[in-house]
Amino acid sequence: GAGVSQSPSNKVTEKGKDVELRCDPISGHTALYWYRQRLGQGLEFLIYFQGNSAPDKSGLPSDRFSAERTGESVSTLTIQRTQQEDSAVYLCASSQESRLAGANEQFFGPGTRLTVL
Amino acid sequence: AQSVTQPDIHITVSEGASLELRCNYSYGATPYLFWYVQSPGQGLQLLLKYFSGDTLVQGIKGFEAEFKRSQSSFNLRKPSVHWSDAAEYFCAVGTNTGTASKLTFGTGTRLQVTL
Repeated sequence: GAGVSQSPSNKVTEKGKDVELRCDPISGHTALYWYRQRLGQGLEFLIYFQGNSAPDKSGLPSDRFSAERTGESVSTLTIQRTQQEDSAVYLCASSQESRLAGANEQFFGPGTRLTVL
Repeated sequence: AQSVTQPDIHITVSEGASLELRCNYSYGATPYLFWYVQSPGQGLQLLLKYFSGDTLVQGIKGFEAEFKRSQSSFNLRKPSVHWSDAAEYFCAVGTNTGTASKLTFGTGTRLQVTL
């Protein structure tokens, strides 16, 4: 079946503008994650959704960042008043629910490359 | 808090040579350990994972990794590297926090393969 998809693949915006990034997880996957990958760095956890539970927002770097998820489907990551430091690749991943949640394999999308001028 | 260290930022090996990528983790409980590969322009792909049991795990593309609790290490190995293995490799530890679950990644090792 289809993998995790993300749109747009590339986004160039001006400092101060708001952007929305979209993620379509694999059908049937109840968990959805957002990560940020800055140039030359590892992946930085941002937020995690699991079913109807309250999302884990502990990785969001500031209140300019927010994310929503509709049921167990599409998620949108919104960055308000973008700054140049927000330039990065934003990766989305999904996984199946498991009793050993920390052991779930996460399936990653191709990412959205955000450039803030 | 958990953390992952990949001490080698960049490694260059000749095609056909053996490979070992280092990974050290810090976590108070039994870790779930993963190796992912990121090829240029592509998303991350899981190579292998360790949950429990046999400490030597086999993955795709001929890779293997060995969990050594005493050394807090989970090094990735391949006996003979192919040019197509050139990519960025990430080690990660998976953790549970109540209903939450997340992967903590290392900073990655970029592998270059010379012909």
